[in-house]
This record gives sequence, C-alpha cells and structure tokens, in this order.
Amino acid sequence: ETGVTQSPTHLIKTRGQQVTLRCSSQSGHNTVSWYQQALGQGPQFIFQYYREEENGRGNFPPRFSGLQFPNYSSELDVNALELDDSALYLCASSLRRQGGTGELFFGEGSRLTVL
Amino acid sequence: SQKIEQNSEALNIQEGKTATLTCNYTNYSPAYLQWYRQDPGRGPVFLLLIRENEKEKRKERLKVTFDTTLKQSLFHITASQPADSATYLCALAPGSGNTGKLIFGQGTTLQVKP
Repeated sequence: ETGVTQSPTHLIKTRGQQVTLRCSSQSGHNTVSWYQQALGQGPQFIFQYYREEENGRGNFPPRFSGLQFPNYSSELDVNALELDDSALYLCASSLRRQGGTGELFFGEGSRLTVL
Repeated sequence: SQKIEQNSEALNIQEGKTATLTCNYTNYSPAYLQWYRQDPGRGPVFLLLIRENEKEKRKERLKVTFDTTLKQSLFHITASQPADSATYLCALAPGSGNTGKLIFGQGTTLQVKP
C-alpha cells in the first residue's frame, strides 16, 4: 500500500452535475498530481499541486479545477459533467526535490460514471 | 506530434521465460523515464526510474534500458511468474521533469502462463 487514500471509491452522476473527489497524500509528500484514466488507456495528466498552488496542467478544460490544503491533501472538482468524463480518477503524491518529482505513489482511484 | 507508444497487444509467455516490453517515444527529450505496474481496478505501482544519462537499471528480476538515440526503453522481467501478470505502463517526464507531469503510454498487458 502507498498510503495515498482517495474517496469516494465509486460514484455515479448524471450529465451536467458537479463532483468533488478527495485525496490524502502519503506522509512526508508535498506534491499531489491528478490523472484521468479511461478504460484501456494510460493515465492522462490533469494537473499538479505543490505548496497549495497549481504547478503544471494538462490538456483539460477549466471545468476541471483543484485545491491543495496545508496538510497536502487535495480535491479535484469537475463541473458540468459530460459523458466522456466517465473514467478512473487517480491521485498521486510525491516528494518534489531538485532534479524532478521522481516516482509517483498512486491511490486506488475514484471510479466516476456519468449517465 | 509527441507520442509515447507501447505494444497494445497482450504479451503471453510461459512461466520461467524472460518477458520484454517495449516503450517508444517521439518528439520528446525526457529527463527520465519510469515504469509502473497496474493490476485491474487498482492504481499504478512504481517499479523503476531511469535517467537520461543512465543506460541500464536493475532491481531484483527487473531490468530497464534507456536508449535516447533510439528513443526507446526496454523493460525485462527475468524468470517470470504467474504473479507478474499485470499491465505495465511506461511514463516519461518531458523537459526538466520539474513540473511533475508524466506522459504515460497506453500500457502492455503481460500474461504469464504456468
């Protein structure tokens, strides 16, 4: 186990609704990244938070937003849900240091289904 | 355009053999490349990281090579076991690697038969 916990594990929403996904990072880690993984595909980078600020963003629209709290936990918010948002949402924590972020420690994910 | 590609076909091998998985990329100059294992319904688990100035990295039965001229990484599992059956993802960190962004391939599913 990585020590990264995500909630909820599964949820079902309807198109147009909003969702908040939560992540507690591993102890000692200062960086949280969020990824979206569609079935049969590799994870796609949404964004990363370091010291409570967004530090890099992938090719996702503004209706995907996030927060990082002082204890390094994080939230991912998705507004105006679309059918294509159905996916496994993965949170990964890491320790940012000189030379890069290094390896990521993933949680088990939140499986979102949009109907 | 920038691409990272893994063999999308499943790899089936017999227990005890060496499994070799390939990761090719184009139009990137990655600071480092990583390999992850993912079991169905679970999050990826980090296996190995290899930097651009390293040719080879080993960890127990795992070996990774990184050829920046060929723009390719090979991932080997020696003496494979049925418990090694999973999807293996390669991921690279573009640029300096400081943004924390990893670009993942689509993964290759390995099936080791007893």
